[in-house]
Amino acid sequence: SQQGEEDPQALSIQEGENATMNCSYKTSINNLQWYRQNSGRGLVHLILIRSNEREKHSGRLRVTLDTSKKSSSLLITASRAADTASYFCATASSGNTPLVFGKGTRLSVIA
Amino acid sequence: DTAVSQTPKYLVTQMGNDKSIKCEQNLGHDTMYWYKQDSKKFLKIMFSYNNKELIINETVPNRFSPKSPDKAHLNLHINSLELGDSAVYFCASTRTSRETQYFGPGTRLLVL
Repeated sequence: SQQGEEDPQALSIQEGENATMNCSYKTSINNLQWYRQNSGRGLVHLILIRSNEREKHSGRLRVTLDTSKKSSSLLITASRAADTASYFCATASSGNTPLVFGKGTRLSVIA
Repeated sequence: DTAVSQTPKYLVTQMGNDKSIKCEQNLGHDTMYWYKQDSKKFLKIMFSYNNKELIINETVPNRFSPKSPDKAHLNLHINSLELGDSAVYFCASTRTSRETQYFGPGTRLLVL
């Protein structure tokens, strides 16, 4: 069953601009994770934010979580051409249920 | 050292054939997964194994049979391949189901 829904489906920006992607989910979560997938590669974990956290930073990445709205955003600042990839959010619920991935946002950063 | 490896990377085969994909992780994780990613990039979980035991088996045809000889390996055997099986198959592992998952590079399966 699909939990996360990313928005927008595709985003195209100029190098140096900021990119913001959103994720909405439906049920209670333990944590929410963001992954990047370069073309032809596997997914790579970027950042994990727990349900009791509101904001987290990692380098040029900033993730926010609003559990009341069941939404999260991923901000990439000062984007680079190398940031071109698909970005997926994934939600972790309680128990042994596996992560549930959204459909992803395809980001293109134009040099 | 590759944390999660899959073989083969590419697999082109005829409809009706039987094929296997292998996955190995050297991270000491207890939980491993198989995912299918279709042409629209939607990632769908197929199976979840914890310490060699099947935990989750999503709605997947019986033609797909996972096997875990030990907790570092999770293989996927597919019988009677169909056109609709064409996709990228990813193996992943994690320490626990709620934590970070580490993905393999994927196996691109094309059924002709």
